[in-house]
Amino acid sequence: NAGVTQTPKFRVLKTGQSMTLLCAQDMNHEYMYWYRQDPGMGLRLIHYSVGEGTTAKGEVPDGYNVSRLKKQNFLLGLESAAPSQTSVYFCASSYAGAGAYYGYTFGSGTRLTVV
Amino acid sequence: EDQVTQSPEALRLQEGESSSLNCSYTVSGLRGLFWYRQDPGKGPEFLFTLYSAGEEKEKERLKATLTKKESFLHITAPKPEDSATYLCAVQPGGGSQGNLIFGKGTKLSVKP
Repeated sequence: NAGVTQTPKFRVLKTGQSMTLLCAQDMNHEYMYWYRQDPGMGLRLIHYSVGEGTTAKGEVPDGYNVSRLKKQNFLLGLESAAPSQTSVYFCASSYAGAGAYYGYTFGSGTRLTVV
Repeated sequence: EDQVTQSPEALRLQEGESSSLNCSYTVSGLRGLFWYRQDPGKGPEFLFTLYSAGEEKEKERLKATLTKKESFLHITAPKPEDSATYLCAVQPGGGSQGNLIFGKGTKLSVKP
């Protein structure tokens, strides 16, 4: 049982380049999330999805796009990378049911540097 | 505005020296409060969920408690392997879609 898998683990981009971060989960979770973690800022929600084919904006969505074409996958795209997007990106998933939500399962993160 | 504040930012303990981490929160209709452990270079790992004031949960040397305004993570006789950053998160009620709001964490160092 792999849980939540993120690829790649590390990446260096030049300003203006684009890339896609992949998140895959094998727990049949309905909900998936993308967070960024910066020193002194904590985890901040970028985008999330409550099911296949749905996406919604979180706290800091600007400069990012997402897609959830399959239930198990949640993609995060950077169309034109900026140095301000240098961060560690975490994907998470959760099961929601019976009117209560459960804790997230996190991936191991992608460390992105934009130069 | 929903908010989570953790204190202290960093805590250094000697092995065996018990202490507590604090998580204070303001949220509209708390649905749940979560504690996570994060090791360097890794994603957060789920520890506990607390749902109502007065609730307590334990796991090995860790015990989490919840009041209407704050939660404590008590660490009894810590060991060096307990060194990590501990994150607190709250889940507001209403139409939050389950989204968690995280505090900035407390970095715990336990020296042998």
